[in-house]
Amino acid sequence: ETGVTQTPRHLVMGMTNKKSLKCEQHLGHNAMYWYKQSAKKPLELMFVYNFKEQTENNSVPSRFSPECPNSSHLFLHLHTLQPEDSALYLCASSQEVRVGNQPQHFGDGTRLSIL
Amino acid sequence: KQEVTQIPAALSVPEGENLVLNCSFTDSAIYNLQWFRQDPGKGLTSLLLIQSSQREQTSGRLNASLDKSSGRSTLYIAASQPGDSATYLCAVSYQTGANNLFFGTGTRLTVIP
Repeated sequence: ETGVTQTPRHLVMGMTNKKSLKCEQHLGHNAMYWYKQSAKKPLELMFVYNFKEQTENNSVPSRFSPECPNSSHLFLHLHTLQPEDSALYLCASSQEVRVGNQPQHFGDGTRLSIL
Repeated sequence: KQEVTQIPAALSVPEGENLVLNCSFTDSAIYNLQWFRQDPGKGLTSLLLIQSSQREQTSGRLNASLDKSSGRSTLYIAASQPGDSATYLCAVSYQTGANNLFFGTGTRLTVIP
């Protein structure tokens, strides 16, 4: 039982498509995160939300648009993506935004392929 | 620039061996360091978290140490099992930007039965 659920698990889309990734956490946490994991590169933090408010945008291109309607749900809206955006997108949650106090819990990710 | 390095990139050991995974970081002003495990096609599972004031943490067959002054951490796995096969990632958070975890590229461990 993962506690953090991501859908879909796999997504193939063209560069002109619009799609959304969904993340839901059942842990009662207040902070949620989007990460990008590309082959042979370290995980990169994209966005951080704390109590539905965005607290960090790590210089992510505007073709990625996050949305956090409540503390349990996080979306990543995608449009006009590029081939280099193909990666595993991981969602995580933690009790509070200051990650040092609590470990982050990760979902299994969405494997995104851009044609 | 804050960098986290994990060497080796891959490691194979026979079942039953004790092993050590290494992690080094360039900036010693860390808030904490975490070790994660990632199975193929899966997300990350937090294994151990060491606060900057601590020197080690233990969980079962796992022991993680932290030496801030030298910018190094080790993950010791005792009596390795095939089920330990996975990629192990270390990540560091810094006091100046505690929201941001800086990850290494991981060590892919294979335990041979």
